[in-house]
Amino acid sequence: AQSVTQPDIHITVSEGASLELRCNYSYGATPYLFWYVQSPGQGLQLLLKYFSGDTLVQGIKGFEAEFKRSQSSFNLRKPSVHWSDAAEYFCAVGTGNQFYFGTGTSLTVIP
Amino acid sequence: GAVVSQHPSWVICKSGTSVKIECRSLDFQATTMFWYRQFPKQSLMLMATSNEGSKATYEQGVEKDKFLINHASLTLSTLTVTSAHPEDSSFYICSARSVNDEKLFFGSGTQLSVL
Repeated sequence: AQSVTQPDIHITVSEGASLELRCNYSYGATPYLFWYVQSPGQGLQLLLKYFSGDTLVQGIKGFEAEFKRSQSSFNLRKPSVHWSDAAEYFCAVGTGNQFYFGTGTSLTVIP
Repeated sequence: GAVVSQHPSWVICKSGTSVKIECRSLDFQATTMFWYRQFPKQSLMLMATSNEGSKATYEQGVEKDKFLINHASLTLSTLTVTSAHPEDSSFYICSARSVNDEKLFFGSGTQLSVL
């Protein structure tokens, strides 16, 4: 069965530090991969997506993610975190007619 | 862990009929539920935000009379696609925000095909 795993429920980083949020998926073929962010009181916002091509994907707000087929991973990264990045981050996998979300990683940013 | 049940998982209907999709939080209370739509190879599009006991807030471009949302209890929100047409064929997914810890949980989606 298809699944998406975000191993880290909660991460705390200092402002200016680098960030990596992990996402692993289980799916037979190459899926469509997404990262979403939800700030308090807001709806989901798409950060970036991967469909095909270059495995390093650039997104909004300085985020990037790398698709690694051999590891079935799509980790999200940011070189320098800002206080406004504090939010809930969701990895998602889309197949032909299904959509699967991870359980989310809550990010806290310390001044 | 918290579970959001979305039903049905797929539905085929004739053009002109109405289809109701249910979103239930099974083991937590949700004051806020979200409804999304996804087109093939696209990201999710937020359709509306549903708050228990009040009218839903629709995103710009989403027809309120077309997509009726009811959030009658802390565990149930429904989306009714009225007078469905083939262009309404899509994947619809709901999410529910837990009252206790504000975490967001997603349903498994409903694939709607309108003939």
